[in-house]
Amino acid sequence: SQTIHQWPATLVQPVGSPLSLECTVEGTSNPNLYWYRQAAGRGLQLLFYSVGIGQISSEVPQNLSASRPQDRQFILSSKKLLLSDSGFYLCAWGARGSEAFFGQGTRLTVV
Amino acid sequence: GENVEQHPSTLSVQEGDSAVIKCTYSDSASNYFPWYKQELGKGPQLIIDIRSNVGEKKDQRIAVTLNKTAKHFSLHITETQPEDSAVYFCAAGKSGGSNYKLTFGKGTLLTVNP
Repeated sequence: SQTIHQWPATLVQPVGSPLSLECTVEGTSNPNLYWYRQAAGRGLQLLFYSVGIGQISSEVPQNLSASRPQDRQFILSSKKLLLSDSGFYLCAWGARGSEAFFGQGTRLTVV
Repeated sequence: GENVEQHPSTLSVQEGDSAVIKCTYSDSASNYFPWYKQELGKGPQLIIDIRSNVGEKKDQRIAVTLNKTAKHFSLHITETQPEDSAVYFCAAGKSGGSNYKLTFGKGTLLTVNP
């Protein structure tokens, strides 16, 4: 069966520091991969999605970037965090079309 | 692009009662409609989905209905239990081809009172 791993679960980082969140998927090949952000108040905002290695589509302009160095690895990065980058970050994968199965999330607090 | 509206934003029911959450969508080409349950501090979990070739789907106490003409779909939870308390999200998307994105509703906070 397929599983998705996302880490760390919580992270507290100072303003201006770099960020790297990692997500890996097991049990499937060539998945669609997604990064979402969920701010307080519940809404899910799609940040990036990838349909293959090295293929990244950005949904909103922001201080973050994403990379997919391997088929089942998706990384969310920032060179310098802003206070407004705080939130709950969710990685998801899908096998076809627009299906999405989520990881457990990373709670990022920028101080 | 697609726009998904979800109502109500909060719903409180007594244990054993039914709960209904409704969503509308704008893009008539959408054909995939999943529902997610998110417990506090966790990622959303897919609980049921429906595709446009069916009008209703059931899984134990959970059912989803779809009206493509009116562009709305609903989640029905019967015999609610306290562990059903969570935030529920509807979403709309397209299957296949180069369609990869889901559009989510803003969520419904369901509270089941014992």
